[in-house]
Amino acid sequence: AQKITQTQPGMFVQEKEAVTLDCTYDTSDPSYGLFWYKQPSSGEMIFLIYQGSYDQQNATEGRYSLNFQKARKSANLVISASQLGDSAMYFCAMREGRGFQKLVFGTGTRLLVSP
Amino acid sequence: DARVTQTPRDKVTEMGQEVTMRCQPILGHNTVFWYRQTMMQGLELLAYFRNRAPLDDSGMPKDRFSAEMPDATLATLKIQPSEPRDSAVYFCASGQGQGPYNEQFFGPGTRLTVL
Repeated sequence: AQKITQTQPGMFVQEKEAVTLDCTYDTSDPSYGLFWYKQPSSGEMIFLIYQGSYDQQNATEGRYSLNFQKARKSANLVISASQLGDSAMYFCAMREGRGFQKLVFGTGTRLLVSP
Repeated sequence: DARVTQTPRDKVTEMGQEVTMRCQPILGHNTVFWYRQTMMQGLELLAYFRNRAPLDDSGMPKDRFSAEMPDATLATLKIQPSEPRDSAVYFCASGQGQGPYNEQFFGPGTRLTVL
């Protein structure tokens, strides 16, 4: 079974609009962390935001926020006021508390921001 | 600005040749990960070190791949002999601490092309 599911292969948004990238996860471990990474065309993986399973509030980092719905096992990334530079691949990932710190990645969503 | 560095950034080689990729983790980080990214498989974990000791290399083809950490500032991934199916981007990442709450910082990747 997929641990991390990103159902949107591609998303389009206009500049200055907000966009939500979906991510659902599967784990039976009560202790886990959820991460979002951005991969621009240059190829590097850039850490964006983190949400812990015990965190009471949704994580926010500048224009990025994570809509964490624990009961639904979803961790959607919200980008507000999109910019052209936000065009990239976005990966959701999870690390479970048991065992070692392996990050399991989703298949990614390609976001295109148009002027 | 601490970063994970990787060399070379690009490598083109012929089938059968030995390839060595190097990674310098962020100073003070005690965990190092090697990932491989392809269009077909996405991001896959190849090997993982904690405090220079290999903890898991189950994702690595054992007959041709080897990963080592000769010291705390250098991790290597070697392929011998290389094959066209090894063509991919290889990422090194480093992190610190235990449990799910620690982010991994990725290097810029080595783009390997085996002809």
